[in-house]
Amino acid sequence: GAGVSQSPSNKVTEKGKDVELRCDPISGHTALYWYRQSLGQGLEFLIYFQGNSAPDKSGLPSDRFSAERTGGSVSTLTIQRTQQEDSAVYLCASMPGTGEETQYFGPGTRLLVL
Amino acid sequence: QQPVQSPQAVILREGEDAVINCSSSKALYSVHWYRQKHGEAPVFLMILLKGGEQKGHEKISASFNEKKQQSSLYLTASQLSYSGTYFCGTELKSNQFYFGTGTSLTVIP
Repeated sequence: GAGVSQSPSNKVTEKGKDVELRCDPISGHTALYWYRQSLGQGLEFLIYFQGNSAPDKSGLPSDRFSAERTGGSVSTLTIQRTQQEDSAVYLCASMPGTGEETQYFGPGTRLLVL
Repeated sequence: QQPVQSPQAVILREGEDAVINCSSSKALYSVHWYRQKHGEAPVFLMILLKGGEQKGHEKISASFNEKKQQSSLYLTASQLSYSGTYFCGTELKSNQFYFGTGTSLTVIP
């Protein structure tokens, strides 16, 4: 595809369940970011991947959050034992990493924890 | 580390001008500006890399004062399509971004 895609687009889960959110970046983009956006709030940085380097996990809010990026392409954000405060839109963005520092955002996954 | 944006919200009539400010307490590599419409993903507007650099895109331009760690986004002769929430993204070190809380801009006829 031409842009960043994310799945699912919407996810409703019960408190305590685990969820996996997927991001397919633009082909060839080496940098990938995960952000969280709560209702009416700004973008909260979660984690950053650059190529095969160890990810920058400094933004993950708790040890219930983890992310991986396989083969330098697709990324999965996992939230274990979800809590109601995890409800938000989770946005993924990719960047070429070749000097063009534009982040291309996906449409997001809207997560609702009941 | 999150930059501070001001104002939080602004309402304009078509054709009026607006300025949105972004301020950081940390030294910056660059500043990015994005616009997000309700229910949609943020869309890139422009990036500013050097102190004092100013860029323009149609009637939207921005400046970056590297010494003050401040950036301003200028919207002139606003159009209805300019409505949305504007975010500045500050790069503290290579590829580490923090976004402001956003400025809601509403343009009315």
